[in-house]
Amino acid sequence: GESVGLHLPTLSVQEGDNSIINCAYSNSASDYFIWYKQESGKGPQFIIDIRSNMDKRQGQRVTVLLNKTVKHLSLQIAATQPGDSAVYFCAEIFSGYSTLTFGKGTMLLVSP
Amino acid sequence: DAGITQSPRHKVTETGTPVTLRCHQTENHRYMYWYRQDPGHGLRLIHYSYGVKDTDKGEVSDGYSVSRSKTEDFLLTLESATSSQTSVYFCAITRGTASTDTQYFGPGTRLTVL
Repeated sequence: GESVGLHLPTLSVQEGDNSIINCAYSNSASDYFIWYKQESGKGPQFIIDIRSNMDKRQGQRVTVLLNKTVKHLSLQIAATQPGDSAVYFCAEIFSGYSTLTFGKGTMLLVSP
Repeated sequence: DAGITQSPRHKVTETGTPVTLRCHQTENHRYMYWYRQDPGHGLRLIHYSYGVKDTDKGEVSDGYSVSRSKTEDFLLTLESATSSQTSVYFCAITRGTASTDTQYFGPGTRLTVL
């Protein structure tokens, strides 16, 4: 079957580089944001989240930056590894609704 | 996979036949969701449930129905499958008590309608 990775923007990096994946969200009232990683043939996996009262949050090797002025979210991955190769997508939640809105994703390819 | 199983994992069926996909969770979560994922569209919400017998429609609910007769199972039914319903279907749960908490996904079911 056709892969979910087709038709997506692709970021190609070398192992050890830092990667930055960007996401533009749609609703200025969204107050919670999540980054997911999806490997081929698997379900989306939670990476990191951030509330709208923050502009930066760090996890293990990952950092999420939120710029509410321009409705932009980014995921930074430090020292990228081949195992980081996957599709990454953001999701936004507006607490006035009960559902998430997902971005279409970016494929990250890491070369050894 | 957050204690979520989906069955079957793969299914091939013919146009016009009924199909039921099952999502099973073991952690007694209140909120459960069904999504479909297609190239170029990302994840789109079909239906969701906020408790036993409590369900609501999502963005792409036409042609689908759901049922939740017990907390642990959320069923998605295609009454008469069409080729446009060929997709990968994901179930998700929310671990918190609010529908706006992070969603965690199951492994997916790949459905092909011929």
